[in-house]
Amino acid sequence: DAGVIQSPRHEVTEMGQEVTLRCKPISGHDYLFWYRQTMMRGLELLIYFNNNVPIDDSGMPEDRFSAKMPNASFSTLKIQPSEPRDSAVYFCASSFSLRTGNTIYFGEGSWLTVV
Amino acid sequence: QKEVEQNSGPLSVPEGAIASLNCTYSDRGSQSFFWYRQYSGKSPELIMFIYSNGDKEDGRFTAQLNKASQYVSLLIRDSQPSDSATYLCAVSFMIYNQGGKLIFGQGTELSVKP
Repeated sequence: DAGVIQSPRHEVTEMGQEVTLRCKPISGHDYLFWYRQTMMRGLELLIYFNNNVPIDDSGMPEDRFSAKMPNASFSTLKIQPSEPRDSAVYFCASSFSLRTGNTIYFGEGSWLTVV
Repeated sequence: QKEVEQNSGPLSVPEGAIASLNCTYSDRGSQSFFWYRQYSGKSPELIMFIYSNGDKEDGRFTAQLNKASQYVSLLIRDSQPSDSATYLCAVSFMIYNQGGKLIFGQGTELSVKP
């Protein structure tokens, strides 16, 4: 069974450009999470969805960030305009709520560099 | 105050020794506790979870939880160089983590020397 799939794996962009990160969760999972990881701040939760509905977006740093989940198999995280401080690894993760000992499965991450 | 705190390390232990990784959390409403391992350049992967006070063993790994002290630890017995990684502690407010978010600590870097 395929894991969480993220694209692009690596992106280098110039300050001010729009960045769109994509995620396909594991089939059948009803929770989807977007995390950001930096050396300074560690692994931070940005937003998460349950059954395609955003539940908690309190971790989204500012209005430049937006996330959508139009259906159960696809989500995007968009940064517009991008800034150098947005450089980080962005992880998408998914989980299935009805399983005891629930595991969050992470994708391989999207490595973003804003110059 | 951060919700989940870990010593950043690095923690260095010789091969074959016991590595002890510690984590404290601030919210007494936390119900479920997890340890993830992250190799450099890779994504986090679950090692084990614990819900009840006491010890839980899985192979060379033992998780220990003390809710009164708001403390969770991970012991790695017979440490191997392949255990060298960053270990992330995570907590959830959901019992058995049936749904809901995980809050992660900063991680502790472990280095096992041959």
